[in-house]
Amino acid sequence: GESVGLHLPTLSVQEGDNSIINCAYSNSASDYFIWYKQESGKGPQFIIDIRSNMDKRQGQRVTVLLNKTVKHLSLQIAATQPGDSAVYFCAARDSWGKLQFGAGTQVVVTP
Amino acid sequence: DSGVTQTPKHLITATGQRVTLRCSPRSGDLSVYWYQQSLDQGLQFLIQYYNGEERAKGNILERFSAQQFPDLHSELNLSSLELGDSALYFCASSVGGGEGETQYFGPGTRLLVL
Repeated sequence: GESVGLHLPTLSVQEGDNSIINCAYSNSASDYFIWYKQESGKGPQFIIDIRSNMDKRQGQRVTVLLNKTVKHLSLQIAATQPGDSAVYFCAARDSWGKLQFGAGTQVVVTP
Repeated sequence: DSGVTQTPKHLITATGQRVTLRCSPRSGDLSVYWYQQSLDQGLQFLIQYYNGEERAKGNILERFSAQQFPDLHSELNLSSLELGDSALYFCASSVGGGEGETQYFGPGTRLLVL
């Protein structure tokens, strides 16, 4: 079946450094991808999305890269700040239009 | 504050019971999405409504149903509850049909089935 998985359950990053969060998906027909951020005790927050006809999309301090060849998605956070500490989820839309979520990566920003 | 409201914040009930979770989208948003988040299953998309009509269906059990009313608020009905239904239930809304649009999440309803 389809799956969306995150490579690392926890990522420790020093404040000011760049963070890279990786995600693999299994369905080559996935055509739309989203990254969410979830802080403790809060609902998920949409960060950025990308369609399969793009390789890269940039937002404010965030960049999503899509490599369809290896079915890999990454989220890059520039100049990581303490407020970036959260769980980050990737999601991929499958052939039936449903979003499949990864398990999440905990990002911990250290001073 | 995302502008999406959910009630109740917490709900404790017993197996076999039925509960209704309520969501009010952001003003002007036509789409409402429901998600379930549990420790063992992660975040799961359940269902989407757009302007009163079902738009997309995810991993929603037959015991669960949802609807969106003319005033665009939505309710998620969970029946014949099982212990495994204990989870956080999130509602999100977006302006239009979904793709390429930001989804704004509510604070969630924490359901505990005993």
